[in-house]
Amino acid sequence: DAMVIQNPRYQVTQFGKPVTLSCSQTLNHNVMYWYQQKSSQAPKLLFHYYDKDFNNEADTPDNFQSRRPNTSFCFLDIRSPGLGDAAMYLCATSRDLERAGEQFFGPGTRLTVL
Amino acid sequence: SQQGEEDPQALSIQEGENATMNCSYKTSINNLQWYRQNSGRGLVHLILIRSNEREKHSGRLRVTLDTSKKSSSLLITASRAADTASYFCATGNTGFQKLVFGTGTRLLVSP
Repeated sequence: DAMVIQNPRYQVTQFGKPVTLSCSQTLNHNVMYWYQQKSSQAPKLLFHYYDKDFNNEADTPDNFQSRRPNTSFCFLDIRSPGLGDAAMYLCATSRDLERAGEQFFGPGTRLTVL
Repeated sequence: SQQGEEDPQALSIQEGENATMNCSYKTSINNLQWYRQNSGRGLVHLILIRSNEREKHSGRLRVTLDTSKKSSSLLITASRAADTASYFCATGNTGFQKLVFGTGTRLLVSP
């Protein structure tokens, strides 16, 4: 089945130790998104890739970076995680920007920072 | 901020009852969607309603949209324990339809 896959589902890292979260999709969608969702809050968009074009949200901290080596994969890199970065990280895709309103989400990666 | 607000923040009902959640938003939109999120899991797309539509049905779900009041409601009929989850509305604006999520309603359906 076509889907959005996130690995790992749970990630534990130490304060300040770089961590990478992975997302892959079999939908062949052009757009991939990363959201951060803290406990009991709404998901917050960090950035998105339209094909190879990277678009950062204005309030996304510099500590967060992303890579999209090909259509199928997108990575979220947190260079120096702080305690405040503990959250659920959601990856999503859409066929194109005009249909960004119809996004397909992965199951999320829950990040714990010790 | 365009972020929507949902109300109630939490709703507790018995199986078989109907659940109604409301969403309000601030700016004009192209579409509005509802998502479900089970505890600690990803978001599942439920239904999308476009700005020129007033009502949409999908199974036990009924969504209404009132663009003049900038509000939407999600009705779940004959609720089941498996409907227990958080429900988020998200709005997409014209151009780049970035989704902006509301604050969510936590629904608890007791057997």
